[in-house]
Amino acid sequence: SAVISQKPSRDICQRGTSLTIQCQVDSQVTMMFWYRQQPGQSLTLIATANQGSEATYESGFVIDKFPISRPNLTFSTLTVSNMSPEDSSIYLCSVAGGIGTDTQYFGPGTRLTVL
Amino acid sequence: SQQGEEDPQALSIQEGENATMNCSYKTSINNLQWYRQNSGRGLVHLILIRSNEREKHSGRLRVTLDTSKKSSSLLITASRAADTASYFCARLPNTGFQKLVFGTGTRLLVSP
Repeated sequence: SAVISQKPSRDICQRGTSLTIQCQVDSQVTMMFWYRQQPGQSLTLIATANQGSEATYESGFVIDKFPISRPNLTFSTLTVSNMSPEDSSIYLCSVAGGIGTDTQYFGPGTRLTVL
Repeated sequence: SQQGEEDPQALSIQEGENATMNCSYKTSINNLQWYRQNSGRGLVHLILIRSNEREKHSGRLRVTLDTSKKSSSLLITASRAADTASYFCARLPNTGFQKLVFGTGTRLLVSP
C-alpha cells in the first residue's frame, strides 16, 4: 500500500487567514484527491488534483476558496483560503492508481480549527 | 442523497461478540470499499469488494455484497476493544471516474 504523509497534522488558525496543507506519497500515483470531514460527519470529496493542470472541483467547492496544486505524481497541496469557523474540519488527501489500482489510500489527515 | 446509508449509526457490544454493519446505496457500482477511522484520524483501508464478487474475507473481517439489493455488510468476528472506531463504506460508481462516495458511517464501541 502507498504511504502518505500530510503536513501539518493539526493547526489552529484565525478567521480570515489561509492555511496550506501538503500531501506527500512515497510512490508515483495516478490520482490524488482531497476530502473534507466536518465534525461528526462522513467524508466529502472536495476535488481531484490533476498533475500539471487545474484541479477538478466537486459541486459546492470552488478554486478561489480551495486552490490546489499538483506539480508532480507524488505531491499535492490544498489551501484553505480566507478561513471561517465553518472551515473547521479534518482535511484528508487520498491516492489511487498506484499499487493496487482500484484501492484508495488515505493520509493521516490535517485537523483544522478556525477561531 | 448521493451518500450511501449505513446502519446502525452506532453499535455498542462486548469483547468477543460479533459486530455487523450494513451499507446501502442507490446506483450501480464498480466496487465497494470499507474503511476504519480511529478517533478522527486517517482512514485505514480494510477490504475492497468488486461488483462481481459476493463475499470476501480478511482475518476477522467478512464483507458481503448483494448488488440486486444494492447493499453490503461488514462483519467483525470475535471483536476486541481495539476494534473501537468508526467504519465507513465507500462505493466507486460505474462512471469511469475514481471518485469514492462515502456512507454515513457506523460508530462501533467494543467494551472490555
